[in-house]
Amino acid sequence: QKEVEQNSGPLSVPEGAIASLNCTYSDRGSQSFFWYRQYSGKSPELIMSIYSNGDKEDGRFTAQLNKASQYVSLLIRDSQPSDSATYLCAVTLIKAAGNKLTFGGGTRVLVKP
Amino acid sequence: ETGVTQTPRHLVMGMTNKKSLKCEQHLGHNAMYWYKQSAKKPLELMFVYSLEERVENNSVPSRFSPECPNSSHLFLHLHTLQPEDSALYLCASSQDGGGRDKWTGELFFGEGSRLTVL
Repeated sequence: QKEVEQNSGPLSVPEGAIASLNCTYSDRGSQSFFWYRQYSGKSPELIMSIYSNGDKEDGRFTAQLNKASQYVSLLIRDSQPSDSATYLCAVTLIKAAGNKLTFGGGTRVLVKP
Repeated sequence: ETGVTQTPRHLVMGMTNKKSLKCEQHLGHNAMYWYKQSAKKPLELMFVYSLEERVENNSVPSRFSPECPNSSHLFLHLHTLQPEDSALYLCASSQDGGGRDKWTGELFFGEGSRLTVL
């Protein structure tokens, strides 16, 4: 079983619509959850973090966490062509040192004008 | 220079060559990482250095040898690689939490070194 699973996509959404991305993880001890965005040919960059069950909103992005179901999601509202990228889900168990992220394979999102 | 810089950006090597990848971070962070990114595979953690000590070695083959001389520099020494080692190698840095501080989870990545093994 993969540690962090995502649908590889591509997820095609029309401009202005909501893009919904899902991620499941296998380690119940995971404490912190992150969404990274990676444009083609570029490096990943952090866009959202969430630590507690529920929703967290930041601009057009909303992260949702359900630890009981081991499920994290990302909603992108009013999707723009500039949101076309691969979105990587990452999880971690916070330690005193040597913290690391385990990444999923990413979901490719295509926003069509 | 700012952020995380990696050199070289592109490298082609034969299976018998020895080469090194270099990473330098200018962010004052205390942890550095090597990740491997292959097509259609998740980012794979190779090595983690926190406070210049290697704290994680994810069962990486010995043909990859990391070196972290100080908190700002990280190297990946390569020797007798295989064609399947061809990938994008990403270096990243972060400020490791240490104790009760919550780690932000934010990794700052370099642009990567694209490696092709012939």
